[in-house]
Amino acid sequence: GESVGLHLPTLSVQEGDNSIINCAYSNSASDYFIWYKQESGKGPQFIIDIRSNMDKRQGQRVTVLLNKTVKHLSLQIAATQPGDSAVYFCAENKWGGKLIFGQGTELSVKP
Amino acid sequence: NAGVTQTPKFQVLKTGQSMTLQCAQDMNHEYMSWYRQDPGMGLRLIHYSVGAGITDQGEVPNGYNVSRSTTEDFPLRLLSAAPSQTSVYFCASSSSGTGDYEQYFGPGTRLTVT
Repeated sequence: GESVGLHLPTLSVQEGDNSIINCAYSNSASDYFIWYKQESGKGPQFIIDIRSNMDKRQGQRVTVLLNKTVKHLSLQIAATQPGDSAVYFCAENKWGGKLIFGQGTELSVKP
Repeated sequence: NAGVTQTPKFQVLKTGQSMTLQCAQDMNHEYMSWYRQDPGMGLRLIHYSVGAGITDQGEVPNGYNVSRSTTEDFPLRLLSAAPSQTSVYFCASSSSGTGDYEQYFGPGTRLTVT
């Protein structure tokens, strides 16, 4: 079946450094991905999305890269701050608002 | 504009009991869905709806029932609670429109079945 997965369950970075969180997917027909941030005790929060007609998309301090050849996407967070500490999920967005989530990477930011 | 609201925030059930988790959104979104999240896991889709009167199953539908009589509300029913249904439940809504897309999640209901 289809799957979306993350490479590392945890990531620890120093405050001010850049963070890179990776995600792989299995279905080459997948065409729309979303990155979510989930803080403890809260629901997932939309960060940024990317469609398959793009290789890169930038937001405020975040960049998502999509490599369709190897079915891989990454989330880059520039100048990581303590407030970025959370669990990050990539998800494939399918028709009807359906999301297929990966397992998540917990980002810890050391002061 | 409250976004997506869920009630209750916490619930403890005994095995075999039934209950309904409430979800409402005030953004006039066509799409609504229910997910469960187990410890250390991503969210898994239980049921979803693409409009009032239309529902369908997701990845893990067994033991749950849904209906959607209005655009705003999408309740999730547990028919006969089991310990395996102990989880955090999230409701989400999104628009089917073009342009910038975003899926909004509610704050979650933490359910424990003993």
